[in-house]
Amino acid sequence: QSALTQPPSASGSPGQSVTISCTGTSSDIGGYNFVSWYQQHPGRAPKLMIYDVNKRPSGVPDRFSGSKSGNTASLTVSGLQAEDEADYYCSSYAGSDRLVFGTGTKVTVL
Amino acid sequence: QLQLHESGPGLVKPSETLSLTCTVSGGSIYTTTYYWGWVRQPPGQGLEWIGSIYYSGNTAYNPSLKGRLTMSVDKSKNQFSLKLTSVTAADTAIYYCARSLGSSGSQWCAFDPWGQGTLVTVFS
Repeated sequence: QSALTQPPSASGSPGQSVTISCTGTSSDIGGYNFVSWYQQHPGRAPKLMIYDVNKRPSGVPDRFSGSKSGNTASLTVSGLQAEDEADYYCSSYAGSDRLVFGTGTKVTVL
Repeated sequence: QLQLHESGPGLVKPSETLSLTCTVSGGSIYTTTYYWGWVRQPPGQGLEWIGSIYYSGNTAYNPSLKGRLTMSVDKSKNQFSLKLTSVTAADTAIYYCARSLGSSGSQWCAFDPWGQGTLVTVFS
């Protein structure tokens, strides 16, 4: 069960947009619309930002959006704010009652 | 508001068993509505799903840990637990417990909320 692949880092200036990719295979991301995204600030527990590819839990700003194409899912943060600086992890159902996380991306707000 | 809190030894010796408990407050663990899961994070590294359990005791485990992992639910204490046997330094991590979004379809695959996490170090 290999981790999903994310770029190690991404950055943008305040007000800009940043998009993070999450690449898997047809056995996980490509096979199911069960992709989630988590935000994690240093020393804190992860927080769910997106589930089912593009759904936002209550309380998550609509600046956060998700999408999927083939075996790659993406998280876009629009109108970047200082508090968006954090690590972001994707996860996906991988069949046979298995979940897999991504390698993580550190987002820096310049 | 539902809260989860992990507890257990912070130090475990190699080859011994790591035991952690997640205490749930603000809601019952004995419900058909949610799954309960464990996720770990080695220091400075990414997240790894450990496993998930339903109130009935049905489990789903990370295949890489199968054979060493046991998860259980204690209705009387409103807790769920994990036991990981034959630990090595590679099991050193922050261990988080979390509740799934739901129990149907895809909802068991997303976790919210999470506990604060507890660091377990495997060290002789």
